[in-house]
Amino acid sequence: SAVISQKPSRDICQRGTSLTIQCQVDSQVTMMFWYRQQPGQSLTLIATANQGSEATYESGFVIDKFPISRPNLTFSTLTVSNMSPEDSSIYLCSVYRGINYGYTFGSGTRLTVV
Amino acid sequence: AQTVTQSQPEMSVQEAETVTLSCTYDTSENNYYLFWYKQPPSRQMILVIRQEAYKQQNATENRFSVNFQKAAKSFSLKISDSQLGDTAMYFCAFMGGYNTDKLIFGTGTRLQVFP
Repeated sequence: SAVISQKPSRDICQRGTSLTIQCQVDSQVTMMFWYRQQPGQSLTLIATANQGSEATYESGFVIDKFPISRPNLTFSTLTVSNMSPEDSSIYLCSVYRGINYGYTFGSGTRLTVV
Repeated sequence: AQTVTQSQPEMSVQEAETVTLSCTYDTSENNYYLFWYKQPPSRQMILVIRQEAYKQQNATENRFSVNFQKAAKSFSLKISDSQLGDTAMYFCAFMGGYNTDKLIFGTGTRLQVFP
C-alpha cells in the first residue's frame, strides 16, 4: 500500500494565522482526501483533491477557509486559514488505490489554536 | 445520503476474551464496501478488515472477523483472543460503489483491553 508522509505532525498556532499541512505520497494517485478529526470525534471529510483541478469541498467547508493545492500526482497541501480555537483538531490526508489496497492515511497533524 | 452508526461509544474486554463491536449503516446502493479501521493513541489509521457487499462470505483477518448482514445493514466486528495492543478507537466506514471514493466514518467505539 502507499506510504504517506504528512508534515507537520503537530503545531500550536496563534488565532488569526494560517497553517499549511503537506502530504507526500510515495506513488502516483489520482485522488487525495483531507479529513478533520475534532477532539474525541470521528473523521469528517473536508475535500477531495484531484490533480489539475479545483478541490471538491463537502458541505460546511469552503475554499477560502481550507484552500487546497494539488500540483502533481504525489503531493497535496491543505491550508487552515484565519484560525480560531474551533479549528483545533487533527487533520489527516488519505489516498485510495483501489479495493485491493484500500485507503492509506497520513499520520495526522495535531493542530492547537490559542 | 449514506450514514454510519456505531451505538457503543466505549467497550472493554479482558485479555484473551472475545468482544464484538456494532455498526449499522444506511444506503440505497446495492454495491458498496465496508471497512473497520483502528486508531491507536499514535493517531495512525490502520485498516483492520474490509468487506465487499456483493460477497456473502464474511471477511476474516486472523483474530478479526465480521458479521455482515446486508439485509439488516449491519456490519459488526468480532475480535477474538483480545490483546492489550488492540486497545484503540475503532471506526466503521462505508464507501459507495459507484462514482465515488469517499469514505464515510461512524462515530467510533473506544475499546479498552484489560490484563
